[in-house]
Amino acid sequence: NAGVTQTPKFQVLKTGQSMTLQCAQDMNHNSMYWYRQDPGMGLRLIYYSASEGTTDKGEVPNGYNVSRLNKREFSLRLESAAPSQTSVYFCASSENPREQYFGPGTRLTVT
Amino acid sequence: QQQVKQSPQSLIVQKGGISIINCAYENTAFDYFPWYQQFPGKGPALLIAIRPDVSEKKEGRFTISFNKSAKQFSLHIMDSQPGDSATYFCAASIARGNTGKLIFGQGTTLQVKP
Repeated sequence: NAGVTQTPKFQVLKTGQSMTLQCAQDMNHNSMYWYRQDPGMGLRLIYYSASEGTTDKGEVPNGYNVSRLNKREFSLRLESAAPSQTSVYFCASSENPREQYFGPGTRLTVT
Repeated sequence: QQQVKQSPQSLIVQKGGISIINCAYENTAFDYFPWYQQFPGKGPALLIAIRPDVSEKKEGRFTISFNKSAKQFSLHIMDSQPGDSATYFCAASIARGNTGKLIFGQGTTLQVKP
């Protein structure tokens, strides 16, 4: 039981490049989330998916797109990376709407 | 804008001391207040949580105190240990819609000195 897994762990992009962050959970949870963590800002919700087939914007969705591929997988795409998107990205899942289980994170640097 | 404000940003405590982290919220519709603990290089993990119908919840050395009228809640770590050194986030959520969306505070980096 791996919980929530994220790939890659580290990534360096040049401005304007695109990439997809992958997230998978093996806990059969309905809800999945993408957050970004920046120093002094806490964790801010980018997008979430309350159930398979649905996605909704969070607090900071601009510059990102998501796909809930199936119940297990929820990907985050940066179409044209910008330096402001340098951050640590966390995926989380939950069944109980309260308790969220987080992955280990992806550290992204955009130069 | 729904906000949760957390203080202090950083905290240094001697081993055996009490660590106290405070949070304040604005939206009275919040009805669930968890604390998450994050070690370096790891994702956050749920530590303890409280609902607004109780004023205090204790789990081992960790206690949440909740003041509904002041719209404040705090985490107390008794007998702090070097292994408690981590970043702590308070959060709040609303049951309506059942989406589980959490609003996080800014985080507090705790260092417990041996």
